[in-house]
Amino acid sequence: NAGVTQTPKFQVLKTGQSMTLQCAQDMNHNSMYWYRQDPGMGLRLIYYSASEGTTDKGEVPNGYNVSRLNKREFSLRLESAAPSQTSVYFCAGTTSPSTDTQYFGPGTRLTVL
Amino acid sequence: EDQVTQSPEALRLQEGESSSLNCSYTVSGLRGLFWYRQDPGKGPEFLFTLYSAGEEKEKERLKATLTKKESFLHITAPKPEDSATYLCAVQAPYNFNKFYFGSGTKLNVKP
Repeated sequence: NAGVTQTPKFQVLKTGQSMTLQCAQDMNHNSMYWYRQDPGMGLRLIYYSASEGTTDKGEVPNGYNVSRLNKREFSLRLESAAPSQTSVYFCAGTTSPSTDTQYFGPGTRLTVL
Repeated sequence: EDQVTQSPEALRLQEGESSSLNCSYTVSGLRGLFWYRQDPGKGPEFLFTLYSAGEEKEKERLKATLTKKESFLHITAPKPEDSATYLCAVQAPYNFNKFYFGSGTKLNVKP
């Protein structure tokens, strides 16, 4: 089992460019999440998907969109990147309601110039 | 506003020197409190879940405890391989999909 995988690992964008961060899991997660992690701050929830076909906003959704393509895949899109979106992005999943433990991917380090 | 605060921000220990990390929270009606370990350049790795005051969980040199307003991660006789950032997260009772993370404690254990 690969667990939770994310692509790409690193990305550099110019202000105004768009891109999609990909996340896939083979752990039968029902719920999936996108977080960002900035120095000195905790992980902050951007969006989550409680089940296939549903998505909801987290703490910091502005400037992002998500798609729960199927049970395995949950993508995060930046339509017009801004320097404030420079961060490390983590995807996670849980098999809630059976367990609320989140399993995280390895992260995508994004720099917006 | 729901908040999670971890202290200290950084902790340097000598190998074998036991200590505790603190996680305090203001979420009322806690559903679950989670501890994760994060190594540089990697995603957080699950350690423990605690659900009710008085609960304790242990794994090797780590022991997590929970009271009504805070949790402690006790590290007994740490080794250099315990060096990492330890994150605490609280699950909101009003939305089981919302987790609030502290900013972490960076632990450095010197041989």
